[in-house]
Amino acid sequence: SQTIHQWPATLVQPVGSPLSLECTVEGTSNPNLYWYRQAAGRGLQLLFYSVGIGQISSEVPQNLSASRPQDRQFILSSKKLLLSDSGFYLCAWSVSLGISYEQYFGPGTRLTVT
Amino acid sequence: QKEVEQDPGPLSVPEGAIVSLNCTYSNSAFQYFMWYRQYSRKGPELLMYTYSSGNKEDGRFTAQVDKSSKYISLFIRDSQPSDSATYLCAQPRGNYGGATNKLIFGTGTLLAVQP
Repeated sequence: SQTIHQWPATLVQPVGSPLSLECTVEGTSNPNLYWYRQAAGRGLQLLFYSVGIGQISSEVPQNLSASRPQDRQFILSSKKLLLSDSGFYLCAWSVSLGISYEQYFGPGTRLTVT
Repeated sequence: QKEVEQDPGPLSVPEGAIVSLNCTYSNSAFQYFMWYRQYSRKGPELLMYTYSSGNKEDGRFTAQVDKSSKYISLFIRDSQPSDSATYLCAQPRGNYGGATNKLIFGTGTLLAVQP
């Protein structure tokens, strides 16, 4: 069966510090990978989307970047955090074939920028 | 108009009640819908998906699609306190030329089942 891991689970960082969140998927090959942010009381905002190693699409201009160095690894980064980067960050995966659209989420990372 | 809309709630019901959670959608290109359950401070968990009109059952959960009114519903029978969570509906982004692998989510409805 497939599992998705995210770490760290929680993070408190000062403004201006760097960020690196990691997501790994097990039990599947060549998944589509996604990073979402969920602000308190708001919906899921898609940040980045990847269909393969090194292939990253950005959904919104922002202070963040993403990388996919390996097939089942997805990293969210920032060089200098802003207060507005606080939120709940979720990684998700889906099968790459277009026969189903379901996405499966990791446990999330709660980021507080102080 | 948002493409997928939900009443944010909160919806509070007594244990054992039948719960009805609803979404409206505007994009008729893809009649494929998903329901997710999200417990507080956890990632969303896929509950059900459906791609046709009518009902789909899974245990105490029933998903219903009404294409004529662009309305999707999730019914929970014999609700339990453990059902207390936020429920999100979603559909693929796309148009009549093709779907994408991206989803549009509603903002979620917070459900509280009181013991």
